[in-house]
Amino acid sequence: AAGVIQSPRHLIKEKRETATLKCYPIPRHDTVYWYQQGPGQDPQFLISFYEKMQSDKGSIPDRFSAQQFSDYHSELNMSSLELGDSALYFCASSYPGRNTEAFFGQGTRLTVV
Amino acid sequence: DAKTTQPTSMDCAEGRAANLPCNHSTISGNEYVYWYRQIHSQGPQYIIHGLKNNETNEMASLIITEDRKSSTLILPHATLRDTAVYYCIVRVGGTSYGKLTFGQGTILTVHP
Repeated sequence: AAGVIQSPRHLIKEKRETATLKCYPIPRHDTVYWYQQGPGQDPQFLISFYEKMQSDKGSIPDRFSAQQFSDYHSELNMSSLELGDSALYFCASSYPGRNTEAFFGQGTRLTVV
Repeated sequence: DAKTTQPTSMDCAEGRAANLPCNHSTISGNEYVYWYRQIHSQGPQYIIHGLKNNETNEMASLIITEDRKSSTLILPHATLRDTAVYYCIVRVGGTSYGKLTFGQGTILTVHP
């Protein structure tokens, strides 16, 4: 079965650079979530989109922005990268309907040097 | 979202049942209990969820107390591959887009 696809899987950037992470949800899923997981930490919710509109916002820095496109894929844009942004970034998607489960991708490991 | 409390770590022998408890004493009537697990830096994996009735699927069983203030995830025959961090999450129901808030999960170690 198709899963959530994230690209790239690994990314190395220098401080103050920008990065764009992409997420391709499972077909027919209309909701996308972004999470950040620092070393030794639990996943922290950043932002979510439902039907291409922002549905919730968590602890996402102002330097980050995200959107969901007409084909339901999503991109997380990160600017002025800091060393502390080094983390695993997970995307998840869920399908229409009430109380449906969310499925996670394998993540993008971002390293800021 | 309601706060959950889980043991920091648990051990289980291979082949035995693993029973992972979760306390969610402030859960609201429209909040569901979800369980996910994460195997070393992989994406969290959905296990099971429920509202008030006990649930079972091919991976596990979920037992929710009648007052809904606590629940137990049961892995009936634990294997070494079940070693992971298990997260109990309370999520507002009624939509498909409620966020999942991860707290401190339980590190389950399955040993031979």
